[in-house]
Amino acid sequence: QITLKESGPTLVKPTQTLTLTCTFSGFSLSTSRVGVGWIRQPPGKALEWLAINYWDDDKRYSPSLKSRLTITKDTSKNQVVLTMTNMDPVDTATYYCVHRPAKAATDYWGQGTLVTVSS
Amino acid sequence: EIVMTQSPATLSVSPGERATLSCRASQSVSSDLAWYQQKPGQAPRLLIYGASTRATGIPARFSGSGSGTEFTLTISSLQSEDFAVYYCQQYNNWPGTFGQGTKLEIK
Repeated sequence: QITLKESGPTLVKPTQTLTLTCTFSGFSLSTSRVGVGWIRQPPGKALEWLAINYWDDDKRYSPSLKSRLTITKDTSKNQVVLTMTNMDPVDTATYYCVHRPAKAATDYWGQGTLVTVSS
Repeated sequence: EIVMTQSPATLSVSPGERATLSCRASQSVSSDLAWYQQKPGQAPRLLIYGASTRATGIPARFSGSGSGTEFTLTISSLQSEDFAVYYCQQYNNWPGTFGQGTKLEIK
């Protein structure tokens, strides 16, 4: 049974750096084709891919946010960490950790964590 | 970046009737198209992948069709639990862009 769970701050101030951790179970990020990534959804709006880290350490970033994002994996801890710098109120959103095999659909989602950016 | 356009934005249908949702890609995505269902306060759930393959546990009343740039999600005989927001997503090119969603509401 695959599960993913997000953890991190619920409130950050503008210009601060956000660090989110995804802890997962039921699979290994060292298995071929496996990827773990992050998708966000501002309140009442659509979904947006942020970044993904694949089993072979291939990393992909949203072109529009690339300069602000870093994704890393710790295979031994079954964790993936996303950092986003220079947070702004427009970054207020629910952030989802997801499982996505290479060249496939996103098949498992965490419950999501709402991050509010406000002073 | 591939733009996904869903129509209509809102669809009002009575329980027991059929619903047809559309999704268009700005360029061909082959059959690398998924549909998700999202209910309030919940994460999206994968319904369809490969444009027409139902994910595990998805009822047969959900069906997907299309390839290239035009795709359709059909829900036959709507049940009360089907009223939600539906998103299409292409995963042919990175990033896997999503449509803006279609809200399926009770008529």
